[in-house]
Amino acid sequence: KQEVTQIPAALSVPEGENLVLNCSFTDSAIYNLQWFRQDPGKGLTSLLLIQSSQREQTSGRLNASLDKSSGRSTLYIAASQPGDSATYLCAATGGYTDKLIFGTGTRLQVFP
Amino acid sequence: DAGVIQSPRHEVTEMGQEVTLRCKPISGHNSLFWYRQTMMRGLELLIYFNNNVPIDDSGMPEDRFSAKMPNASFSTLKIQPSEPRDSAVYFCASSLGQPQHFGDGTRLSIL
Repeated sequence: KQEVTQIPAALSVPEGENLVLNCSFTDSAIYNLQWFRQDPGKGLTSLLLIQSSQREQTSGRLNASLDKSSGRSTLYIAASQPGDSATYLCAATGGYTDKLIFGTGTRLQVFP
Repeated sequence: DAGVIQSPRHEVTEMGQEVTLRCKPISGHNSLFWYRQTMMRGLELLIYFNNNVPIDDSGMPEDRFSAKMPNASFSTLKIQPSEPRDSAVYFCASSLGQPQHFGDGTRLSIL
């Protein structure tokens, strides 16, 4: 059974810092790994999707990497801004199913 | 382009009552997902449909929960009878492959 964990659970940093959020999964037979952002009272917004054959994806100040052999993914946020404050969740898709297994999330606060 | 639309946004009802949550997926999407989010258990998949057919309902907690998708543009999640432990935020998401697009959720409180 796939289990996904995220550390740290919460993070508070000053504006401008570069951040790394961590995601671990137990079953390396994943189809893809996704990172989402959730703002308070809102649904999830997809940030990056990494297919199992890829090692990383980039979008603007965000870079996500995937290492299937070690069961890890990281989300790198460059030059953090207060607008990046949100909860970040990773999710793994196993096999050829669309079913997402979510981690518990990292709550990020970037203060001015 | 409209996103996934869920209704109601908030629902407060008494234990034992029937609750119906509604979802309109993004037009053209062929998969629809129902999730539940709680502080204790995080975000869990309850059921998902592909081309209106239920594919995986292993996350549905018990017989009190049922979901339907009568057509490509509408789905319901029903709880009957409701219990206080069903209090959570329920999300609907739709997709055409990946990624999934989420609605803003229904915050359900069972008193």
